[in-house]
Amino acid sequence: DIQMTQSPSSLSASVGDSVTITCRASQSISRFLNWYQRKPGKAPKLLIYAASSLQSGVPSRFSGSGSGTDFTLTISSLQPEDFATYYCQQSYSTLWTFGQGTKVEIK
Amino acid sequence: QVQLQESGPGLVEPSETLSLTCTVSGDSISSYYWSWIRQPPGKGLEWIGYVYYSGSTNYNPSLKSRVTISVDTSKKQFSLKVTSVTAADTAVYFCARVNGGNPNYYFDYWGQGTLVTVSS
Repeated sequence: DIQMTQSPSSLSASVGDSVTITCRASQSISRFLNWYQRKPGKAPKLLIYAASSLQSGVPSRFSGSGSGTDFTLTISSLQPEDFATYYCQQSYSTLWTFGQGTKVEIK
Repeated sequence: QVQLQESGPGLVEPSETLSLTCTVSGDSISSYYWSWIRQPPGKGLEWIGYVYYSGSTNYNPSLKSRVTISVDTSKKQFSLKVTSVTAADTAVYFCARVNGGNPNYYFDYWGQGTLVTVSS
């Protein structure tokens, strides 16, 4: 199995802050890495696919980068609606796996 | 706009079979993979498996012996069965459409999720 490890597990930030979440794969996954946002009671929402491609309709303050084993999701100017839990997910192997999640909370 | 809706019992007794159906609207069920994902209370997301519209499947090895995912293209539905459930199978279950191309696959549309509790 390819293990996906996110850091930090949680963070506190203020509206307007820039936030970076890291996702590390246990082996190289090229750029086959996706990011999702999950709010309580809501379905997960695709933000970024293929490491850096912005899903249609997602605000441009979200961006992704990385390749190989290390990836980042950056929210350039945190908005009130961005407080949520974020998950990375790899599809490089036939067993698709998610990171454990990063909860972004209001400071 | 593609919409997915899960349906099925919210309570299943231990050792019984969990059965859920996902109904797709707004687009064809053909030419895509369709997947089930779950999230136990307080835990992260776990991919269960997928079915192609043709019927071919791929499962998470940790669940493979107990899981069956099938598709009914005429009804625009796909289904999940998990046998011999225990409390560890208590989770919110999501259905999702898989987009992309080998091997860059991602879940671009999701159902709202349905909570299934395993308890007597």
